[in-house]
Order: sequence, then C-alpha cells, then structure tokens
Amino acid sequence: EAGVAQSPRYKIIEKRQSVAFWCNPISGHATLYWYQQILGQGPKLLIQFQNNGVVDDSQLPKDRFSAERLKGVDSTLKIQPAKLEDSAVYLCASSPALAGGETQYFGPGTRLLVL
Amino acid sequence: AQKITQTQPGMFVQEKEAVTLDCTYDTSDPSYGLFWYKQPSSGEMIFLIYQGSYDQQNATEGRYSLNFQKARKSANLVISASQLGDSAMYFCAMRESGTSYGKLTFGQGTILTVHP
Repeated sequence: EAGVAQSPRYKIIEKRQSVAFWCNPISGHATLYWYQQILGQGPKLLIQFQNNGVVDDSQLPKDRFSAERLKGVDSTLKIQPAKLEDSAVYLCASSPALAGGETQYFGPGTRLLVL
Repeated sequence: AQKITQTQPGMFVQEKEAVTLDCTYDTSDPSYGLFWYKQPSSGEMIFLIYQGSYDQQNATEGRYSLNFQKARKSANLVISASQLGDSAMYFCAMRESGTSYGKLTFGQGTILTVHP
C-alpha cells in the first residue's frame, strides 16, 4: 500500500514570495492533516480536513496561509507571502476517519527555507 | 500548561540494551489516546505504538512497549534490545476527544543515540 506522498521535498524561497505544497494521502483515508514542524520542536497542527471539509483550522495563520482539499483526496497548502519564521518542515498526515483509535500516517514532509 | 512533556532532550544507550524515554501528559478529558512516533533524519514521522486511556493492558509492538501509568499521567516508551537504526528523534503525542478530535499534540521530542 502506498504511503502519504508529498512534494516538493525541499523548497528555498525569498521572503514575500509565495509557495505551495502538495499532499496525496493514503487511498481511502478520509481525514487529512497539515502540520508545521519548526526546527527543534514537535509538529503543530495547522489544518485538519474530513473529506473536503475543514474540521479545525484554529492554528492556521489565515492572513498568509491557505489550504484546500478539492474532491476530498489530495490537498495543497499555500503560503503567500512567506515570512522568515515560516521556515519549517511541513508534514502531511492522513487517517481513515475521525472516530476510534485510528493512527495518523505521515508523509516525508516538505522542508521550506525562507531567506 | 504543556499538554505533553518530554523532559529528556537527549538519551544515549549501548546497542542491545534497553532504554526508556519519558513522557508525561496533562488532560482533563477521560477519553484520550497516546502515541509514540519515531522521526529519523530523513524527516518522516513513523508510527510506533498506541495506548488508549481505557486500555487495561500496556501496549506492546515488537521491541516497543508503553509503560502506561494513568494515575501519574505518564506514558513512557521502552525500547528493548536497542539497534543502531533506532537512533532518531522520538515524539510522544496525545489525542483528546472533543471538537478537535483527531488532532495530535506533540511533545518537544527526545533524541536517542545508540552506540555500538
């Protein structure tokens, strides 16, 4: 079974530029998560989708970050404009559903460096 | 207050020995789940083990076991017979029920180094 796919793996941009990340979850997984992991810290949830609806985006900086999950499958996360403090690893995860003890499975992440 | 606390920034262990990574948590939710993930230098988060708050027995998965002490709110990970490939960052995480069910809250992590 294929795991969670993410691209690109690495991205270097200058501040004020825009950037987009793509995630394809495990086939059949209804729930998709985007986490931000700053160096030396644990991941922090940015946004959670159930199918194509947003369940939780309380920690998403909505003035610059946006995310969508059209058709309830793959998802894109965009930053516009980027700031220096956005340098981090962006992890995508998926799980079968919200209910029960389902485990979240993570992709390899996208490492973003903002100069 | 921190929901997940990992007090050991770094741990060292000799190959083939056992090691315990500490994790304490804080929640008033009666229903919650505790997870451990491994993050090697490649960056991917690898699921290791899960413990539900109502589970009567400690979880085990191969060389990994979770020492769950509910009254102390601790969920320590025990790795038996350490291998060189176990060198990585380890994260403890908690999922609570409620409006953000599914969301994981992570600790700061512990870097484990296995010496030959």
